[in-house]
Amino acid sequence: SAVISQKPSRDICQRGTSLTIQCQVDSQVTMMFWYRQQPGQSLTLIATANQGSEATYESGFVIDKFPISRPNLTFSTLTVSNMSPEDSSIYLCSVHPRGAPAGKLFFGSGTQLSVL
Amino acid sequence: AQTVTQSQPEMSVQEAETVTLSCTYDTSENNYYLFWYKQPPSRQMILVIRQEAYKQQNATENRFSVNFQKAAKSFSLKISDSQLGDTAMYFCAFMRPSGTASKLTFGTGTRLQVTL
Repeated sequence: SAVISQKPSRDICQRGTSLTIQCQVDSQVTMMFWYRQQPGQSLTLIATANQGSEATYESGFVIDKFPISRPNLTFSTLTVSNMSPEDSSIYLCSVHPRGAPAGKLFFGSGTQLSVL
Repeated sequence: AQTVTQSQPEMSVQEAETVTLSCTYDTSENNYYLFWYKQPPSRQMILVIRQEAYKQQNATENRFSVNFQKAAKSFSLKISDSQLGDTAMYFCAFMRPSGTASKLTFGTGTRLQVTL
């Protein structure tokens, strides 16, 4: 299993600013995933963060808008840059621990972002 | 691309009763994984049950069981003896085999309310 601490839990930001979300895991994991959950909608994968290499972004998401850092095997950050009201969402960090069955992800509690 | 459809945005069930949540998916793959994840008000997603497509036997986890119909591409979740703590959003999810690094495609969710 894995325990994930995600900060901040929520924030209200002004348009044009940036917010960095932190994700700390209590064990070393190879892959960390960042998801976006827009109001009333499903989870959409933004990117996969691998330690020691650049993140892999899904279609529709770009590094300039959502830069990701992965300095070690227990930590990652996601920055939402130059925010607009359309970025208002819940952002979720998740991991797939070594030895866990395929597809069994552990999630943080998310960051609820509101952009004014 | 794979799609996951949950046609019931909201459902309600009385405590101790049984409820079934529907999910259909579309894929051309023969081997894959299916999941039901629960998101309570705390926002932290939790895996409820997991099914491997090559296994014909339906997965069961205590009060939770699935009805997996591969030919019909249907994957419903049955919750027996519903409890107040089952109140949550339930997401059906699909994953191609593990070479795709645990990338899940989620449905839009069903909000389940368990009442007294």
